[in-house]
Amino acid sequence: KQEVTQIPAALSVPEGENLVLNCSFTDSAIYNLQWFRQDPGKGLTSLLLIQSSQREQTSGRLNASLDKSSGRSTLYIAASQPGDSATYLCASNQAGTALIFGKGTTLSVSS
Amino acid sequence: NAGVTQTPKFQVLKTGQSMTLQCAQDMNHEYMSWYRQDPGMGLRLIHYSVGAGITDQGEVPNGYNVSRSTTEDFPLRLLSAAPSQTSVYFCASSYSRGLLTEAFFGQGTRLTVV
Repeated sequence: KQEVTQIPAALSVPEGENLVLNCSFTDSAIYNLQWFRQDPGKGLTSLLLIQSSQREQTSGRLNASLDKSSGRSTLYIAASQPGDSATYLCASNQAGTALIFGKGTTLSVSS
Repeated sequence: NAGVTQTPKFQVLKTGQSMTLQCAQDMNHEYMSWYRQDPGMGLRLIHYSVGAGITDQGEVPNGYNVSRSTTEDFPLRLLSAAPSQTSVYFCASSYSRGLLTEAFFGQGTRLTVV
């Protein structure tokens, strides 16, 4: 059974700092890995999707990497801003349908 | 393009009552699923569907029923609500293009069972 772990559970940084969020998974037979953002009391917003054949994806200040052999993915946020404060979730897709989620990293960026 | 729409946004039920959480998507996605999100537990899969007329159980299916009569709709039924079903419920849909299966989520239904 796939298990997805996110470390750290919470992270506080000053504005402007570059940071890395970590996601690890136990079963490397994934279709893809997806990163989401969730604001308090809101739904999930898709940030980046990395297919199993890809190594990384970029969108603006965000860069996500995938290393299937080591069972790891990272989300890099450059030049963090207070508006980046949210919970970030990673999820693995095992069979092209439902997702297995980590418990998330809650990020707080102070001005 | 509305995406994934969930209704209601908030609901309070008494123990033993039944209700249906609605989920509709307008993206012609084959796959739809329901998750519940609880503090400290993350999101857990309740039921999912790979197409009209086909459903299957996820990690925490007890106390919930689903059906998929159309591609667009995937309602979640609580048969006899219990306080343990107090949670935030999310519906998701996804397309399939080979290995590219990006999931899109609704805004959630916050359910309280008293």
